[in-house]
Amino acid sequence: QQQVKQSPQSLIVQKGGISIINCAYENTAFDYFPWYQQFPGKGPALLIAIRPDVSEKKEGRFTISFNKSAKQFSLHIMDSQPGDSATYFCAASPNYGGSQGNLIFGKGTKLSVKP
Amino acid sequence: GAVVSQHPSWVICKSGTSVKIECRSLDFQATTMFWYRQFPKQSLMLMATSNEGSKATYEQGVEKDKFLINHASLTLSTLTVTSAHPEDSSFYICSAPQGGTQYFGPGTRLTVL
Repeated sequence: QQQVKQSPQSLIVQKGGISIINCAYENTAFDYFPWYQQFPGKGPALLIAIRPDVSEKKEGRFTISFNKSAKQFSLHIMDSQPGDSATYFCAASPNYGGSQGNLIFGKGTKLSVKP
Repeated sequence: GAVVSQHPSWVICKSGTSVKIECRSLDFQATTMFWYRQFPKQSLMLMATSNEGSKATYEQGVEKDKFLINHASLTLSTLTVTSAHPEDSSFYICSAPQGGTQYFGPGTRLTVL
């Protein structure tokens, strides 16, 4: 019940295209769903996050879609750029902000945006 | 956003030696910090929670005598890998909460020869 399943494992997108990464969870106690971006040799950085009381959140080119009944959420990157090439992790936590440290991470998706 | 730093960014050591990794919150105080380990092409796994003024709490399967954690002040937590072995080679990342959000450090690459 603690797992967060992420797909695909890797993704190649042309510049200007839409990148879509999906995650699914089982634990209905999860209350906070962040996405992290990690460049090689660096720590993860919070990209965008959502709580289950909304179905969509948009920040610039990044959008989270959330389906509470299906227990799924996804990250959409519009107008993908080569600079977006990184590994993306979804996560879930029963605490808002994951401030208790109990973030459960997906296995990550390596995104490559081709020029 | 809040900034978390780590030192060193990478370290190479011989098997059997101990290595200390520092995690600092630069512009905020953190009574709690978290240590994660990330193997190549894998996800982050929480190792332990560092608590200022009290003992760290470890996740199941993490040896507390091998991974010593000291939360020396409200801005500093240290992780010491004792008697390191090649299987301890990994990317170690700390994080600290601020304003309800987890902020991660840049990580420390440990290679044990």
